[in-house]
Amino acid sequence: DIVMTQSPDSLAVSLGERATINCKASPSVLHSSNNKNYLAWYQHKLGQPPRLLIYWASTRESGVPDRFSGSGSGTDFTLTISSLQAEDVAVYYCQQYYSVPRTFGQGTKVEIK
Amino acid sequence: EIQLMESGGGLVQPGGSLRLSCAASGFTVNTNYMNWVRQAPGKGLEWVSIIYNSGGTFYAASVKGRFTISRDNSKNTLYLEMNSLRPEDTAVYFCARDHSSGSFDYWGQGTLVTVSS
Repeated sequence: DIVMTQSPDSLAVSLGERATINCKASPSVLHSSNNKNYLAWYQHKLGQPPRLLIYWASTRESGVPDRFSGSGSGTDFTLTISSLQAEDVAVYYCQQYYSVPRTFGQGTKVEIK
Repeated sequence: EIQLMESGGGLVQPGGSLRLSCAASGFTVNTNYMNWVRQAPGKGLEWVSIIYNSGGTFYAASVKGRFTISRDNSKNTLYLEMNSLRPEDTAVYFCARDHSSGSFDYWGQGTLVTVSS
């Protein structure tokens, strides 16, 4: 199974400041046949279903604000919220869909400082 | 509009059974990969099972041999049959559709399963 490890477990950021979440995959989720990283990021707010933010590691889902961006390749990935808004308070998960089981990271809780 | 609606959750004793349903609208379940994902209280997301458009299935090790994923094309509904339930199966269960990339683009609201005596 591919193990996904996120850091940090939680972070507190001031409104308007940058939030950065890291995700490490072991082994790699880069597919050599198409040079695509099989990695997604989700936002999960209390009482709601998770929301897809990013797929292919850096492609923003339709309707997702451009303050959310994804980067990285192979085993190391980052989700960046460029200017944190109050509505961004949530738990964020990375997920690999390179193989089954489609494993998630343990989640990173983002709060307002 | 694409929607997923789970039902069938509830309180069940250890060793008992339960069948969850996920009614889909706005697309057809048998032309998409469909998944079940769960979240135990205070825990993160855990992928549970997938059914491919071919009908093939795969399960997480924690539920293999106890859970069965299936679909009814005439009702456009996904199911999760859960047997030999354990307290550690207590969770909110979500159904989710595969995006063309393989990520999950549409999710239901979830249904709570509580396994307790």
